Amino acid sequence: AQTVTQSQPEMSVQEAETVTLSCTYDTSENNYYLFWYKQPPSRQMILVIRQEAYKQQNATENRFSVNFQKAAKSFSLKISDSQLGDTAMYFCAFMKHQGGSEKLVFGKGTKLTVNP
Amino acid sequence: GAGVSQTPSNKVTEKGKYVELRCDPISGHTALYWYRQSLGQGPEFLIYFQGTGAADDSGLPNDRFFAVRPEGSVSTLKIQRTERGDSAVYLCASSLYHTTVNEQFFGPGTRLTVL
Repeated sequence: AQTVTQSQPEMSVQEAETVTLSCTYDTSENNYYLFWYKQPPSRQMILVIRQEAYKQQNATENRFSVNFQKAAKSFSLKISDSQLGDTAMYFCAFMKHQGGSEKLVFGKGTKLTVNP
Repeated sequence: GAGVSQTPSNKVTEKGKYVELRCDPISGHTALYWYRQSLGQGPEFLIYFQGTGAADDSGLPNDRFFAVRPEGSVSTLKIQRTERGDSAVYLCASSLYHTTVNEQFFGPGTRLTVL
């Protein structure tokens, strides 16, 4: 079974600064996907960024980027130029590659607060 | 277009009662997922539908939980003889089905409180 660990229950950052959220996972699979989801107080889970395990290049989406270390099974999220709207719970998630849609395995989340 | 919708947004019930939670996926999405999110936790997988059939129900905690998707669109999660431990936010997600992974789009969830 796969497990996802987020070791930082809470983090805070000043507006416009950079913050990194940590995530490690455990799997025996070789082909899989990793995701970061954002969940604001509205409860709506929003996909922030995703990474295919077979790709060596780290994914980036505007101010969001990841540091994917496959051998170390580490998948951290870096948020640059933090904005007040980034305040939310952030969940790291794992999905096996089985030729189509599959279930997501989530970590417990990190609560990020961006301070003005 | 419209996103995933879930009704009701909040449901309060008494221990032992039966509840139904509804999910309307994005039109055309063949895959549908149910997750349960307890307080302070990440979502946990319950069941996955591909079309009308349950392709994976390994996350259902016991036989009090059941879900259907009779026409391959709307899904209903049914919980019998509710217990206080069933209190959680129940999230639904949908996605297109292809050979490569597709983004799961989540609804706003139903907060279930069992008194």
